[in-house]
Amino acid sequence: GQNIDQPTEMTATEGAIVQINCTYQTSGFNGLFWYQQHAGEAPTFLSYNVLDGLEEKGRFSSFLSRSKGYSYLLLKELQMKDSASYLCAARTDSWGKLQFGAGTQVVVTP
Amino acid sequence: EPEVTQTPSHQVTQMGQEVILRCVPISNHLYFYWYRQILGQKVEFLVSFYNNEISEKSEIFDDQFSVERPDGSNFTLKIRSTKLEDSAMYFCASMAGPTSYEQYFGPGTRLTVT
Repeated sequence: GQNIDQPTEMTATEGAIVQINCTYQTSGFNGLFWYQQHAGEAPTFLSYNVLDGLEEKGRFSSFLSRSKGYSYLLLKELQMKDSASYLCAARTDSWGKLQFGAGTQVVVTP
Repeated sequence: EPEVTQTPSHQVTQMGQEVILRCVPISNHLYFYWYRQILGQKVEFLVSFYNNEISEKSEIFDDQFSVERPDGSNFTLKIRSTKLEDSAMYFCASMAGPTSYEQYFGPGTRLTVT
């Protein structure tokens, strides 16, 4: 079957680092995405990995291992505004279909 | 910055009624999508649309659902006879072209079926 797993919730302190892991098993694979979603709002794009390795974008980095079906999102220098749900999503075909995990709620405390 | 827009932001309807959710994708984008998110659950793919036809649809997208691009700017999702379980946030998204990867999501329409 198709599965995208990520932890339900993580808590971290302002200024700290948090790593959100995601494992996936899909029938097709054409890239791994991370989206941020604040409550009641639309997902906003954070990162995309299609090749193995680390992609860095400011305070956010994302890593992919295709052979292990594994990705992580690293959030550095956490700010209060980073409190949100972080969605791992796999693109499973050439048309762009995204299959989402349930999301990881990150709570940043002062 | 161009953005995807959706109307209405909130729609309340009675069970059995037809609803049409409207989206205006980013101009010049070629790929269009509908996703839904039931409260507290994950975002689920409904349908992708390219070159004026459905390219893929999920099991959720049964005969009660249809999509249309009636003109050069709008992209609509119709639910023929709404059920209580159709209550969800519906997101439209668009992507530029075959070599693109980023899908831009609209703000969503919250559909409440009573």
